[in-house]
Amino acid sequence: EDQVTQSPEALRLQEGESSSLNCSYTVSGLRGLFWYRQDPGKGPEFLFTLYSAGEEKEKERLKATLTKKESFLHITAPKPEDSATYLCAVHGPSNTGKLIFGQGTTLQVKP
Amino acid sequence: NAGVTQTPKFRILKIGQSMTLQCTQDMNHNYMYWYRQDPGMGLKLIYYSVGAGITDKGEVPNGYNVSRSTTEDFPLRLELAAPSQTSVYFCASSYLRQTAGAYEQYFGPGTRLTVT
Repeated sequence: EDQVTQSPEALRLQEGESSSLNCSYTVSGLRGLFWYRQDPGKGPEFLFTLYSAGEEKEKERLKATLTKKESFLHITAPKPEDSATYLCAVHGPSNTGKLIFGQGTTLQVKP
Repeated sequence: NAGVTQTPKFRILKIGQSMTLQCTQDMNHNYMYWYRQDPGMGLKLIYYSVGAGITDKGEVPNGYNVSRSTTEDFPLRLELAAPSQTSVYFCASSYLRQTAGAYEQYFGPGTRLTVT
């Protein structure tokens, strides 16, 4: 069964304290792995798509990497405005575009 | 582009009432989805559509219905509302990125529904 597991569930960091969020997945025929950011009371906002193992994408203080079993979202020198829930999702072999989402990691960055 | 819009933003229903959650996208995406999000439970797919006139069930379809008469609109109907349907509902749309064969979904702002 296709599955996505994110860890940790919650993460508290001091401003400037770098860390990583993990997304482990099992899916037959990965077509894409997605990272989203979700602020309280808002819809998920698309961040990155990773298509194959070894690929990396960067955006400001965020860097996403992908292996055959997991993805990491590295946050370098985070700021309080990086506080949000980060969601990981995978797209398997279907042509319906259906995504399987993890539970999310809630990040709090304290000044 | 407004992207994906949803109405209403908030709604309180009494048990047994019915309502329609509206979703519209202006990106000409063929694929549209409805999710519900409960605290600590992640996003669960209710229904999806791969084009006008084509819909299919997702993971948690019971108690809901959808229709897709146009590319832009994908309304979600709740019949006989129950407390278990208290949740935040998100609509999303996507397109097929041909070069990579994967779909990026774009989400609306959500509808917060309470059934009492």
